[in-house]
Amino acid sequence: SSELTQPPSVSVSPGQTASITCSGDYLGQKFASWYQQKSGRPPVLVMYEDDQRPSGVPERFSGSSSGDTVTLTISGTQPLDEADYYCQAWDNITGGVFGGGTKLTVL
Amino acid sequence: QVQLQESGPGLVKPSQTLSLTCSVSGGSVSDNDYYWSWIRQPPGKGLVWVGYIFHSGVAYYNPSLKSRVDISVDTSKDHLSLRLSSVTAADTAVYYCARITVLESSGFFFPNYFESWGQGTLVTVSS
Repeated sequence: SSELTQPPSVSVSPGQTASITCSGDYLGQKFASWYQQKSGRPPVLVMYEDDQRPSGVPERFSGSSSGDTVTLTISGTQPLDEADYYCQAWDNITGGVFGGGTKLTVL
Repeated sequence: QVQLQESGPGLVKPSQTLSLTCSVSGGSVSDNDYYWSWIRQPPGKGLVWVGYIFHSGVAYYNPSLKSRVDISVDTSKDHLSLRLSSVTAADTAVYYCARITVLESSGFFFPNYFESWGQGTLVTVSS
């Protein structure tokens, strides 16, 4: 299957840790990346190659991979982290695949 | 810092062809280290990869759109173009162009991650 599965929503209190998972049959053999999208704005890369943080992305963002699941973790979540988050990977047959997105609510 | 800017008609009639351009500044579409891509996002929905192209002109498309889509690159103008034919209301979306880094593995080259994105342009398909 070429699908990437994310939970539709995750809620977290300010200062707590948020974890967003992304599962797919081939993720164990492929790199995944993560994108943050705030309302009305284009996506922004926040993690690549599973666990590499681009320059300028706060250290509270981290990534990990285990089996066919990758996880984006936000430690000490801040209200400004509230956004939609998408995972993405490349499938040999279907090409670029995005997860369905996870709405992170900080309340 | 590369910048990408999408442009084109905001309204297209059903059955017609959607045509968009992405202008690249602060970088070159001829750079061997990158692919160039289109992604779309229907209102209120998730991201959908449309296709990508290398400066050589070799392109790869989403199988669900392949029969209707064409992506081209103009190295003299540093821009890429998207054409989507026979559009319907389901093609209404914000269309983004983006730059993809190249991953080299065992002498082969693959797309990696979407490093930079344009601001996007909304295209509505309606009569």
